[in-house]
Amino acid sequence: QVQLQESGPGLVKPSETLSLTCTVSGDSITSDYWSWIRQPPGKGLEWIGYIYYSGSTNYNPSLKSRVAISVDTPKNQFSLKVNSVTGADTAVYYCARSVRGNYGRHYYYMDVWGKGTTVTVSS
Amino acid sequence: SYELTQPPSVSVSPGQTASITCSGDKLGDKYASWYQHKPGQSPVLVIYQDAKRPSGIPERFSGSNSGTTVTLTISGTQAVDEADYYCQAWDISTVIFGGGTKLTVL
Repeated sequence: QVQLQESGPGLVKPSETLSLTCTVSGDSITSDYWSWIRQPPGKGLEWIGYIYYSGSTNYNPSLKSRVAISVDTPKNQFSLKVNSVTGADTAVYYCARSVRGNYGRHYYYMDVWGKGTTVTVSS
Repeated sequence: SYELTQPPSVSVSPGQTASITCSGDKLGDKYASWYQHKPGQSPVLVIYQDAKRPSGIPERFSGSNSGTTVTLTISGTQAVDEADYYCQAWDISTVIFGGGTKLTVL
């Protein structure tokens, strides 16, 4: 059974860097795409970005200048960094296994999600 | 940037059919997915590639794509189906979510 678990500080000060790690069990991180998604309080889901085990990444254009996702294949983990955070970055952050392909039309979906971790940006 | 539009809310009586729509430009050129999200839980994939159900998702969940609109249909809606539902698609290497629809089972 594939499981994902987010970990990291629950409180980050404004202007500092938010750092989260997702630990994958039951699957090899070298076999899929891996995403980060967040949900601010009272709002909908927002895709942050994804990484392939090779290190190839893609980010939400609205966050691209502040976000970095990396992978640690020996530890079967991938990580998220968001710099220069503000209150708008307060959210529940989810990591998810993703499936990408092309059957004449491109598809990408998240089939296994972590439980989520709440990050609050406050001094 | 590409956008997916969902109605903010849909209401349905128990046992009836709920339909949640998601519209976007040339959505028929893309595959769509649907997620169920209950408060305090992580989202669950209920439909992928427009109409496929993951293992463990009840048969009452179905999906369709008609060109500019994708639809999630829940037949014989149960109280346990009350949740927020999000459509999602892939556009030029980015993942797009709709704004979400709150399904209320009255």
